[in-house]
Amino acid sequence: RKEVEQDPGPFNVPEGATVAFNCTYSNSASQSFFWYRQDCRKEPKLLMSVYSSGNEDGRFTAQLNRASQYISLLIRDSKLSDSATYLCVEFGGGGNKLTFGTGTQLKVEL
Amino acid sequence: NAGVTQTPKFRVLKTGQSMTLLCAQDMNHEYMYWYRQDPGMGLRLIHYSVGEGTTAKGEVPDGYNVSRLKKQNFLLGLESAAPSQTSVYFCASSSGLFRDEQFFGPGTRLTVL
Repeated sequence: RKEVEQDPGPFNVPEGATVAFNCTYSNSASQSFFWYRQDCRKEPKLLMSVYSSGNEDGRFTAQLNRASQYISLLIRDSKLSDSATYLCVEFGGGGNKLTFGTGTQLKVEL
Repeated sequence: NAGVTQTPKFRVLKTGQSMTLLCAQDMNHEYMYWYRQDPGMGLRLIHYSVGEGTTAKGEVPDGYNVSRLKKQNFLLGLESAAPSQTSVYFCASSSGLFRDEQFFGPGTRLTVL
């Protein structure tokens, strides 16, 4: 089983829709989690860290469920500019390093 | 404030050739990293550095060497390129080791024929 697993998508949604992605992790010792955004042929950029209590940043909400070992990202009121690949990243489960998921592709359409 | 820069942006090599990828950061970060990104796989750590003059192996270090002679620069070398090293290479830096935000460079697309 992969340490971090994501549905590759693509998720095709209309502008204004709400969309959610999940990411499962295999090691209960994982300490920290992040969502990075990667535009086509560009570098990854941190979108948000994921806190145990859940956290929100504008239209984006991240949640952590340690019992079921997954994190989620909810995007409300999707914009065309949200089209990108969203990378789930975990720290600590595989030792002192980051483990990157393969990403979930989101396409927001008119 | 350029952040993290990488040179070159693109390169095509023949099997057996060597090359060096240069990464520079102007954020005074102690920690720097080299990753490779391949289709269907997450970013994988090649080597990293916890400070000037120190380097350590990551997940996939074979076939690569690195050097960090200056705090702001991190070089990745391929001594004898192989087709399996065709990939997109990203350099990153951070203020804390791994768990802090990683700032990535724009990437180098390398093709080995």
